Amino acid sequence: DTAVSQTPKYLVTQMGNDKSIKCEQNLGHDTMYWYKQDSKKFLKIMFSYNNKELIINETVPNRFSPKSPDKAHLNLHINSLELGDSAVYFCASSHINEQFFGPGTRLTVL
Amino acid sequence: DAKTTQPPSMDCAEGRAANLPCNHSTISGNEYVYWYRQIHSQGPQYIIHGLKNNETNEMASLIITEDRKSSTLILPHATLRDTAVYYCIVSSGTASKLTFGTGTRLQVTL
Repeated sequence: DTAVSQTPKYLVTQMGNDKSIKCEQNLGHDTMYWYKQDSKKFLKIMFSYNNKELIINETVPNRFSPKSPDKAHLNLHINSLELGDSAVYFCASSHINEQFFGPGTRLTVL
Repeated sequence: DAKTTQPPSMDCAEGRAANLPCNHSTISGNEYVYWYRQIHSQGPQYIIHGLKNNETNEMASLIITEDRKSSTLILPHATLRDTAVYYCIVSSGTASKLTFGTGTRLQVTL
């Protein structure tokens, strides 16, 4: 049973397009996150939601819009994709201290 | 969150103990020390965390100095599957963001 799952695993698209990445966790956690890992392997927090409410927004361009329809899901929608958005995006969830990460979505913008 | 300093890389022979150091001299009283690792192309994986006391679980041991300015992660019997980037992170805990640094790339060899 997958704890934190993301779809799609790979996403290749053209500049200017709009795309979404979905994340689901079956751990019953209250808090979910999106992280971005760039080509230099730096892993940075983007957003955090607790019980469907946004609690962390780390100066991410407003082209990125997270949406949490319920506690088990945190989707990431990206408008007007740019070359610099190419990265691996990780979703995570947590209950108390430990964060569980998904397998990542590799986004390539051409 | 306090900043951490780790060596960029380390080697360890299979079967031997791997000792990964971390400096966090600006840690504050309510901040925990967390260790995560990232095996190539996978999402980060939680290893262990602690506040003041030494901790042990099925994966590793965490030794925190009395002044809490540094810590050491110990993998008692390293295997090839432990080859990964290990991140030492200082965070105030529950539902908090994790600020990943550059980590230590541990290479376990035969």
